[in-house]
Amino acid sequence: SQTIHQWPATLVQPVGSPLSLECTVEGTSNPNLYWYRQAAGRGLQLLFYSVGIGQISSEVPQNLSASRPQDRQFILSSKKLLLSDSGFYLCAWSITGYNNEQFFGPGTRLTVL
Amino acid sequence: AQTVTQSQPEMSVQEAETVTLSCTYDTSESDYYLFWYKQPPSRQMILVIRQEAYKQQNATENRFSVNFQKAAKSFSLKISDSQLGDAAMYFCAYRSGFRGGNTPLVFGKGTRLSVIA
Repeated sequence: SQTIHQWPATLVQPVGSPLSLECTVEGTSNPNLYWYRQAAGRGLQLLFYSVGIGQISSEVPQNLSASRPQDRQFILSSKKLLLSDSGFYLCAWSITGYNNEQFFGPGTRLTVL
Repeated sequence: AQTVTQSQPEMSVQEAETVTLSCTYDTSESDYYLFWYKQPPSRQMILVIRQEAYKQQNATENRFSVNFQKAAKSFSLKISDSQLGDAAMYFCAYRSGFRGGNTPLVFGKGTRLSVIA
């Protein structure tokens, strides 16, 4: 069966510090991968998605970036965090093709102080 | 760009009663998919139900059913025999059928459902 992991589960970082959040998927190959952010009291905002290694589409221009160094690994990064980067970050995967739901990871709660 | 609107930030229902959560969407596409996701306090996103736009029949999953009105671009979720475990944030989501379905979900802002014992 497929599983999706995210770490760390929680993170507290000072403004201006770097960020690296990792997401890995097991039990499938060539998944589509997604990063979403959920700010307090808001819905999910798509940040990045990837349909293959090295292929990243950015939905929101900001100080975050994403990389996909391996087929089942998706990394969210920042060189310098802002206060507004605080939120709950969710990674998701789906199988290529129609009518395929997205499966979400447990999420990372990021607090920038 | 597609948008999804959930006009009810909060709803409440008595245990064992029925509640309907509203969702409308805006799109010019004819091929798309609609979803309802549940996010309990654990924050884990769980798929509740999906609907293909080309299907006229409303989707049903046990106590959960949808009322899909394609012309009105409406996609409401009905929860029957509500249980305490149904208390959660519910998100309506849209997915384009463009590019073979390799497109991200567009989410509404969510409806927080409380279940009263």
